[in-house]
Amino acid sequence: AQSVTQLDSQVPVFEEAPVELRCNYSSSVSVYLFWYVQYPNQGLQLLLKYLSGSTLVKGINGFEAEFNKSQTSFHLRKPSVHISDTAEYFCAVSESGAGSYQLTFGKGTKLSVIP
Amino acid sequence: GAVVSQHPSRVICKSGTSVKIECRSLDFQATTMFWYRQFPKKSLMLMATSNEGSKATYEQGVEKDKFLINHASLTLSTLTVTSAHPEDSSFYICSAEGPGNIQYFGAGTRLSVL
Repeated sequence: AQSVTQLDSQVPVFEEAPVELRCNYSSSVSVYLFWYVQYPNQGLQLLLKYLSGSTLVKGINGFEAEFNKSQTSFHLRKPSVHISDTAEYFCAVSESGAGSYQLTFGKGTKLSVIP
Repeated sequence: GAVVSQHPSRVICKSGTSVKIECRSLDFQATTMFWYRQFPKKSLMLMATSNEGSKATYEQGVEKDKFLINHASLTLSTLTVTSAHPEDSSFYICSAEGPGNIQYFGAGTRLSVL
């Protein structure tokens, strides 16, 4: 079984400042990693994913994340945030391999961008 | 591409009534769909995995007779909350496994049981 820890429940940051949202995972097998964003009263939108290959993954809206196997981390970063980035961000993990990929989610990090 | 439609977006019902929520994959076929429940300020809790043409697989602690799931076609899964009570009030979100085995999510359904 795998688990996901998002260390920060809330992250306030000023507009145009950089931000890092932290995510650590634990699993006994190889994993796929995802970041999703949820705007108020909406479903989840995939920001980016790591399945294999380059450990630096670029996603939508200027976000990127780096898979660090030794530290079992998949932190999300953006060099300059915008007001519209205010949302809840969820890190998720699934076991790699054949079959359906059941996701295990972290508890989420609420990003608040301050004008 | 890979759009998932969830309907209704919001429903208010009386205690004791049943509510059906639909999840459709609009531009891809989904053998597998997932149903989640999200409590305020909490993460998503997987309720069940829905496989087309077979019975859903429920997570531990989820009552299968309470939350009926039907996945009758490759583009539609439904969740019926039977005899709903106020404690069933929550935000329910579905996802469908699309291209590349990525989960694509619906916009969610806010259920309020009076």
